[in-house]
Amino acid sequence: EPEVTQTPSHQVTQMGQEVILRCVPISNHLYFYWYRQILGQKVEFLVSFYNNEISEKSEIFDDQFSVERPDGSNFTLKIRSTKLEDSAMYFCASSRVAVSYEQYFGPGTRLTVT
Amino acid sequence: GQSLEQPSEVTAVEGAIVQINCTYQTSGFYGLSWYQQHDGGAPTFLSYNGLDGLEETGRFSSFLSRSDSYGYLLLQELQMKDSASYFCAVNTNAGKSTFGDGTTLTVKP
Repeated sequence: EPEVTQTPSHQVTQMGQEVILRCVPISNHLYFYWYRQILGQKVEFLVSFYNNEISEKSEIFDDQFSVERPDGSNFTLKIRSTKLEDSAMYFCASSRVAVSYEQYFGPGTRLTVT
Repeated sequence: GQSLEQPSEVTAVEGAIVQINCTYQTSGFYGLSWYQQHDGGAPTFLSYNGLDGLEETGRFSSFLSRSDSYGYLLLQELQMKDSASYFCAVNTNAGKSTFGDGTTLTVKP
């Protein structure tokens, strides 16, 4: 069964450093998403992406964040200058059909900012 | 913006039926999704309602009333493995999903 994969599973970085989180969505999916979940809290939407453009982004997704689909398979989230409060689990998701229907989530990358 | 309300905790016994309610306020509503998340795991898609009515998928069913801004997830024949967090999520036509705070379901023997 096809699945979304994410690397690395755990990333530790120092405050102020740039990090890139990587995702490989399911191959025939067209819509891609990033979410974050701070430990013990709810899943928070960051951004949706379709046709090489951001479709929608949340208030969390400020200028420090960017997304890219550099080739036909990878989907990346970059945080330019990490802050302590960026520590969270970051989930990538993809869906075949539009408007967030039936999203498949990757296993997540745990980001720890020290 | 979007806001959702769901109970924080629900407890039930094996074999029982449990209903988790979700009320929402949003603009650009497109549909309501339900996800399951076990501790330390990723959310797993359970069900989606774009239109009013009931959707059934095995032991799980989900209902939506757009006029009432209300939906629920119904879990039947509860099993121990159903112990998890359950999130409703409002989807907008712009491709944004807003998750509720989650309901922790504990299934007891």
